[in-house]
Amino acid sequence: AQKVTQAQTEISVVEKEDVTLDCVYETRDTTYYLFWYKQPPSGELVFLIRRNSFDEQNEISGRYSWNFQKSTSSFNFTITASQVVDSAVYFCALSVYGGATNKLIFGTGTLLAVQP
Amino acid sequence: DVKVTQSSRYLVKRTGEKVFLECVQDMDHENMFWYRQDPGLGLRLIYFSYDVKMKEKGDIPEGYSVSREKKERFSLILESASTNQTSMYLCASSSRPSGRAGEQFFGPGTRLTVL
Repeated sequence: AQKVTQAQTEISVVEKEDVTLDCVYETRDTTYYLFWYKQPPSGELVFLIRRNSFDEQNEISGRYSWNFQKSTSSFNFTITASQVVDSAVYFCALSVYGGATNKLIFGTGTLLAVQP
Repeated sequence: DVKVTQSSRYLVKRTGEKVFLECVQDMDHENMFWYRQDPGLGLRLIYFSYDVKMKEKGDIPEGYSVSREKKERFSLILESASTNQTSMYLCASSSRPSGRAGEQFFGPGTRLTVL
């Protein structure tokens, strides 16, 4: 079965705190891609990062960092020194082959609220 | 920049009405997708299309149909709207040559309420 689990439904932090959003995935494919998307209150999902299954290097982009561990099937997302503008729903997704094309399997999302 | 637009941000319809949700992308993408988003359930795929006039069912196609007569436009049709179809509907597109690595680009969503 292909599945993405985001166990944290809601997280609330105070500005400048660090926060980690968890993502655990299941797949039997040896080649796959993992994604993180951000959905601000405006509603449009914004692509943040893509990681392929052969690249376990952690990635850092400004205050954002991602930790991919195949051994635990996890792809966690950390925001350092959180800001109010980081308040959004964050989705983790797994790219799978869907027959005619590739599909994304989404987790249920984590609502992050950053309080001033 | 890739732009995916949806015809309405908010829509209110009555039970039994036929509802059309329109999506247009301007990046010549082969693949287009319709999702619905509900609290606690995340995004669930309704239908997708990998070429003009080609379509495939997603995970929850019941009660919906789609149409793709032109490459840039993908329509979601609710033949007879019901209250359990009240939801946020999101359209997305992606480039087929990118394969599994290709990210999907999303529209702003249509919040549909069926009374």
